Amino acid sequence: GENVEQHPSTLSVQEGDSAVIKCTYSDSASNYFPWYKQELGKRPQLIIDIRSNVGEKKDQRIAVTLNKTAKHFSLHITETQPEDSAVYFCAATNNPGTYKYIFGTGTRLKVLA
Amino acid sequence: NAGVTQTPKFQVLKTGQSMTLQCAQDMNHEYMSWYRQDPGMGLRLIHYSVGAGITDQGEVPNGYNVSRSTTEDFPLRLLSAAPSQTSVYFCASRDGQGYEQYFGPGTRLTVT
Repeated sequence: GENVEQHPSTLSVQEGDSAVIKCTYSDSASNYFPWYKQELGKRPQLIIDIRSNVGEKKDQRIAVTLNKTAKHFSLHITETQPEDSAVYFCAATNNPGTYKYIFGTGTRLKVLA
Repeated sequence: NAGVTQTPKFQVLKTGQSMTLQCAQDMNHEYMSWYRQDPGMGLRLIHYSVGAGITDQGEVPNGYNVSRSTTEDFPLRLLSAAPSQTSVYFCASRDGQGYEQYFGPGTRLTVT
């Protein structure tokens, strides 16, 4: 069945360094790839997303890249800050083909001051 | 505009009890879904609905029932709670033409 693998499961970086989280998807029909940030005890919040007709998207310190051939996409956070510490989830879906969002298992990012 | 709301926030059940987790959205979204979140396993889809009167199973539907009688509400029913259903449950919705899902605040359920 459809699957999204996410690595690493935990990531510690020094404040100011960059962080990269990678996801691989199995369904070649997937065309929308969101990234969510979840702080402790809170709901997931969308931070950036990318559609399959785009290779890269940036929003200030965060960016997402997509390689459709290899079926993987990555989240890049530059100049990390302590408030970036959270769990990050990737997801993939085929929109409007199916409503099913398949999530990765999450990455716990710790930014060390 | 409250977005997606869920009640209750916390619930403790004994094995075998039944209950309904409530979810409502005021954005007139067609699509609604229920996820459960367990440590190290991300968010797994339980059931989803693409409109009033239409529901379908997700990845982990066993032990859960849903119905969608109105656009606004999408309750999740546990008919006979089991300890394996201890989890955090999130409801989400999105517009049929859009891409972004909006999550509710979650319900933390413990089954003893």
